[in-house]
Amino acid sequence: DSGVTQTPKHLITATGQRVTLRCSPRSGDLSVYWYQQSLDQGLQFLIQYYNGEERAKGNILERFSAQQFPDLHSELNLSSLELGDSALYFCASSSLPDTEAFFGQGTRLTVV
Amino acid sequence: KNEVEQSPQNLTAQEGEFITINCSYSVGISALHWLQQHPGGGIVSLFMLSSGKKKHGRLIATINIQEKHSSLHITASHPRDSAVYICAVRSRAIYGGSQGNLIFGKGTKLSVKP
Repeated sequence: DSGVTQTPKHLITATGQRVTLRCSPRSGDLSVYWYQQSLDQGLQFLIQYYNGEERAKGNILERFSAQQFPDLHSELNLSSLELGDSALYFCASSSLPDTEAFFGQGTRLTVV
Repeated sequence: KNEVEQSPQNLTAQEGEFITINCSYSVGISALHWLQQHPGGGIVSLFMLSSGKKKHGRLIATINIQEKHSSLHITASHPRDSAVYICAVRSRAIYGGSQGNLIFGKGTKLSVKP
């Protein structure tokens, strides 16, 4: 158990809908990262937060947004969902931005 | 061409064999990670390297910064080692090599037969 908790584990939703994925980092970790793993693209970095502020942005679509709350948990919001958004979404956390991160178990999103 | 290339893509071994997975990259890096992803999907961080060699149990990871190459070795392989092994690098060009913007290889799927 990495100490990073993601909910829900599985999510099935229809095209056009909006979903929110939640991540609770390890106790004491200030940095949260979101990654997407799809069959055709592999793992890709989406976005990073550090202590509530956005720190780095990767290949995140405009339909997606994220935030980190004062209690350090983070949410990834995916809207106007398309079939191609079906993927595993991972959250990871680290104590500082440049230290090793620990991954959650992922949320498997299926868009039908 | 991908910035991070792994070989082989697939690897089948017999229990007890010595296994090597290779990772080559084309960008300047601040660190390289080896990750393990089990069939259930969860990802575990195995090593983070910036130079030399690290060992944890039966796993050994090495990196040659000049040659832009890293290897992951598994000694005395066991069926429970069956997983996808992913190499990822932190590029110096991106946010000074922050952990966030990792560039991932496509992974090596390892199957160890009893």
